[in-house]
Amino acid sequence: NAGVMQNPRHLVRRRGQEARLRCSPMKGHSHVYWYRQLPEEGLKFMVYLQKENIIDESGMPKERFSAEFPKEGPSILRIQQVVRGDSAAYFCASSPPSRVYEQYFGPGTRLTVT
Amino acid sequence: AQSVTQLDSQVPVFEEAPVELRCNYSSSVSVYLFWYVQYPNQGLQLLLKYLSGSTLVKGINGFEAEFNKSQTSFHLRKPSVHISDTAEYFCAVSLTGNQFYFGTGTSLTVIP
Repeated sequence: NAGVMQNPRHLVRRRGQEARLRCSPMKGHSHVYWYRQLPEEGLKFMVYLQKENIIDESGMPKERFSAEFPKEGPSILRIQQVVRGDSAAYFCASSPPSRVYEQYFGPGTRLTVT
Repeated sequence: AQSVTQLDSQVPVFEEAPVELRCNYSSSVSVYLFWYVQYPNQGLQLLLKYLSGSTLVKGINGFEAEFNKSQTSFHLRKPSVHISDTAEYFCAVSLTGNQFYFGTGTSLTVIP
């Protein structure tokens, strides 16, 4: 059973460009979570999604950030018009529907904005 | 709101010595508690979790943690560390199991 997969592992974008981060949950997991880790800090919750639904987006910045988890395909975290402050590691986690407290993390995508 | 405090940002310890990484949380209701380990340039790996029941929880790689409700603590311990334990350790709390709140991490360095 493959773990949570994220791609790309490293992403470099210039200021003003768009960044798309992908997350494929573990097989059988229908819940996806996105976290952001700034340098020297812990992970900060961004958004919690189930298939085709955003359950909790209380940690998402109000502008430029969006997330989706379509019926088919990976979950996508999209950052429009990136700025230097968006440089961070973005982690995705997934959990099975019956044990939402068991979050399994992917290896992360390290976004660098130049 | 929940919050997690990891009191030590860096902990150096000699190989085969015991170690304790401290974690305190604030919450007015019952919570789930977790410890994760992060190796360089990798994602987080679950070490152990407390959901209910016995306050002493055993995890992988010889780690254990004890939930102390009166002190709102969930300290992580290992009786004898190895070089391979060098990593960043994160304590996390969750009220519902959905949203996790993480501490700022403790960098454990095992000295040969």
